[in-house]
Amino acid sequence: EVHLLESGGAFTQPGGSLRLSCAASGFTFSNYAMSWVRQAPGKGLEWVSLITKNSDRTHYADSVKGRFTISRDNSNNELYLQMNSLTAEDTALYFCVTDSTAPAWGQGTLVTVSS
Amino acid sequence: DIQMTQSPSSLPASVGDRVTITCRASQSVRNSLSWYHQKSGKAPKLLIYDASNLQSGVPSRFSGSGSGTDFSLTISSLQPEDFATYYCQQNDNLPWTFGQGTRVEIK
Repeated sequence: EVHLLESGGAFTQPGGSLRLSCAASGFTFSNYAMSWVRQAPGKGLEWVSLITKNSDRTHYADSVKGRFTISRDNSNNELYLQMNSLTAEDTALYFCVTDSTAPAWGQGTLVTVSS
Repeated sequence: DIQMTQSPSSLPASVGDRVTITCRASQSVRNSLSWYHQKSGKAPKLLIYDASNLQSGVPSRFSGSGSGTDFSLTISSLQPEDFATYYCQQNDNLPWTFGQGTRVEIK
């Protein structure tokens, strides 16, 4: 069974940094591109970033370009999101998602940015 | 970016009702469309992928149809656990984009 477990969410001040992690199990992680999707409180779903299966390409939403960096470690089945220069607009529940025909989602990790 | 427009935004309904939610893409996404439902604070749950394929374990009262730009999700007989918010999502082109959501609520 596919399992994705996000961690690293926390409370931080504007301008701060956080690194999210997603531990994958139950499937061959290195065969799939992976994405981060977020959901601000009471709002809809927003795709944030995608990394190809061998890390040769990365893609970002305009709202995070230049501030967030996606990466992965296929030897340890881990996905990461380094988030810098955080603002209140980045406050959200962050999900890792497989880039597959039938996407699998983790349960999310909460990032709160506030002064 | 491809815009996904769902309708209605809110859908009051009763247990046993047949309900249909529509999703329109601003350009063709072929059949690369998924449907999810979500309860507050939880991860979205995949119901339908590739426009009409029922995800394993999802009850057969859920069905999806459409291709290109126009899609629909139908629940043949609404059950108490189906009151939730529903989202469509295209994964044909980056950035992936989602509909704004349809809240199915008790009438």
